[in-house]
Amino acid sequence: QVQLHQSGPGLVKPSQTLSLTCTVSGGSISSGDYYWAWIRQPPGKGLEWIGFIYNNGNTYYNPSLKSRVIISLDTTRNQFSLNLNSVTAADTALYYCARDQGTNYGGFDYWGQGTVVTVSS
Amino acid sequence: DIVMTQSPDSLAVSLGERATISCRSSQSIFYNSNNKNYLAWYQQKPGQPPKLLIYWASTRESGVPDRFSGSGSGTDFTLTISSLQAEDVAVYYCQQYYSTPLTFGGGTQVEIK
Repeated sequence: QVQLHQSGPGLVKPSQTLSLTCTVSGGSISSGDYYWAWIRQPPGKGLEWIGFIYNNGNTYYNPSLKSRVIISLDTTRNQFSLNLNSVTAADTALYYCARDQGTNYGGFDYWGQGTVVTVSS
Repeated sequence: DIVMTQSPDSLAVSLGERATISCRSSQSIFYNSNNKNYLAWYQQKPGQPPKLLIYWASTRESGVPDRFSGSGSGTDFTLTISSLQAEDVAVYYCQQYYSTPLTFGGGTQVEIK
């Protein structure tokens, strides 16, 4: 059974970098036709796709965030990470990591537990 | 970007009755090459991450009860709960994966009448 577990700080100061890590268990992050994604949900609002990374390291980002986002893979630790720089209060949200089933199936089938990130001084 | 529009925003249905949620995309999300619609549906309960219910517009994810069904093609899609149960109270989202950026509908809150 695949499981995703998120870690990282829940409070980030304005203009600093938000960093979250998602550790995958029950399967290798470097095998299979999967994309490893970050999605966020501002308080009381809907879901926004931030971006994802394929197992070969190719990344795809939401253009609305592209200039500030880096998603990376650490295959030795079976983890992937999100870095979002120059944060403002608008980046306050519940952040999720998730596995995208890729071209064979579609949709995000496994999700992390979510991390509430507040941007505040 | 493909804009996903859901309706209604909220829906109250009696237990055992049918609930129907609509989702419209701003452009077709149907690929002729493989005859598939690149649409997924999710259920999100309070304090939980979304749960994948349906992909390819009509294929149920493993373990999802058969009272949940998806239909539609091109730009117009529907999620139907054939007989609403108490545990189905949740927010439901559609999502297109035809092209990046991947986008979600605004959500539909389903409640018991």
